[in-house]
Amino acid sequence: DADVTQTPRNRITKTGKRIMLECSQTKGHDRMYWYRQDPGLGLQLIYYSFDVKDINKGEISDGYSVSRQAQAKFSLSLESAIPNQTALYFCATSDSEGPGGELFFGEGSRLTVL
Amino acid sequence: AQSVTQLDSQVPVFEEAPVELRCNYSSSVSVYLFWYVQYPNQGLQLLLKYLSGSTLVKGINGFEAEFNKSQTSFHLRKPSVHISDTAEYFCAVSPYSGNTGKLIFGQGTTLQVKP
Repeated sequence: DADVTQTPRNRITKTGKRIMLECSQTKGHDRMYWYRQDPGLGLQLIYYSFDVKDINKGEISDGYSVSRQAQAKFSLSLESAIPNQTALYFCATSDSEGPGGELFFGEGSRLTVL
Repeated sequence: AQSVTQLDSQVPVFEEAPVELRCNYSSSVSVYLFWYVQYPNQGLQLLLKYLSGSTLVKGINGFEAEFNKSQTSFHLRKPSVHISDTAEYFCAVSPYSGNTGKLIFGQGTTLQVKP
């Protein structure tokens, strides 16, 4: 089993619908991240969390919210999905307290908003 | 603020040929540098990183990268590629300060290895 698991792996939805992407990890890491990948743009940080009570906005948090239910679980929500939120979403974890640590990524959740 | 530019969006190369994927960065503070690889339908995984010390860094699968501070570059190289190296490669930086662990990624370079 993967150390960082994302569900669903693929989702097609309609404009205005609420969507939740879930991430769970078995690595025991405190730090978790949500990134969005768009072709030609690389990855952009949406939200990150250092522990259950510490959640921070990233570069592109507008239109998204997150919940850190436990050390191992970090969910990303789109309250009212819009077509330009169509993208590949990645959850990642890190055990580093400094900036030089490695990120461990899930396999991604592909979201299509019609 | 930091930014990362990967100078080639696609690099086609024949099997067993050498390859270089170019990465330049801009930052007003010192940064750590990373290369990640994304194989088809998978998440990203760390290829190599430069934190300090020798400017030539060796990573997994025979890849290496050289940090050039004066040119603010961190180009990735491999002397002989295999079909299995076909993937998307991302250069990323993380500032020394801030203690957030956030990475700023480049746009990605797709390496296409042809038989």
